[in-house]
Amino acid sequence: GAVVSQHPSWVICKSGTSVKIECRSLDFQATTMFWYRQFPKQSLMLMATSNEGSKATYEQGVEKDKFLINHASLTLSTLTVTSAHPEDSSFYICSARVPGSRDSYEQYFGPGTRLTVT
Amino acid sequence: DAKTTQPNSMESNEEEPVHLPCNHSTISGTDYIHWYRQLPSQGPEYVIHGLTSNVNNRMASLAIAEDRKSSTLILHRATLRDAAVYYCILFNSGGSNYKLTFGKGTLLTVNP
Repeated sequence: GAVVSQHPSWVICKSGTSVKIECRSLDFQATTMFWYRQFPKQSLMLMATSNEGSKATYEQGVEKDKFLINHASLTLSTLTVTSAHPEDSSFYICSARVPGSRDSYEQYFGPGTRLTVT
Repeated sequence: DAKTTQPNSMESNEEEPVHLPCNHSTISGTDYIHWYRQLPSQGPEYVIHGLTSNVNNRMASLAIAEDRKSSTLILHRATLRDAAVYYCILFNSGGSNYKLTFGKGTLLTVNP
């Protein structure tokens, strides 16, 4: 199946700093990527939909100025957590849709990035 | 998105079949039933999907009720590596921008 990678796999940063997380589709081109956040013992929560060459669409309640998303190419989307605070500590997961699978739809997920803000 | 209801947790023994139920009484005619699973500290993984007919693949089988208001994911012989949270998700490509909405899922424990 298609492969999605994330970098870094884990990161520790100090409160007030910014952190960038990369999501890459390794063997296919992804016009649409998604960013999720998952707190311990909870389910995945969709944060935003990232479309190549256009602005991301954010879910209700997600601050677009705090979580900056850039989908600059068909294989790369980045999520930057700006001015991170301890409450932003979470597991961030990206996914990508395989083009052409309009009706069946199969989405491939990255391995996740564990962010800890101290 | 139409909602799904799954048991919070289930337990199975290794090499025995597992039947994971999902209720989706408000499913619409064009909603696909998708199953994903998430192993500990990993991103979710696609398992199987279907619309009306039962489906089989190398990972599992999906049995869909005739009225489509419920479905069952079947793992024919559970292994320890099948221990994960299993999510049943309804997906409708029309107008949803292909978003997946995850519920709480079922935590499957497999005993050796």
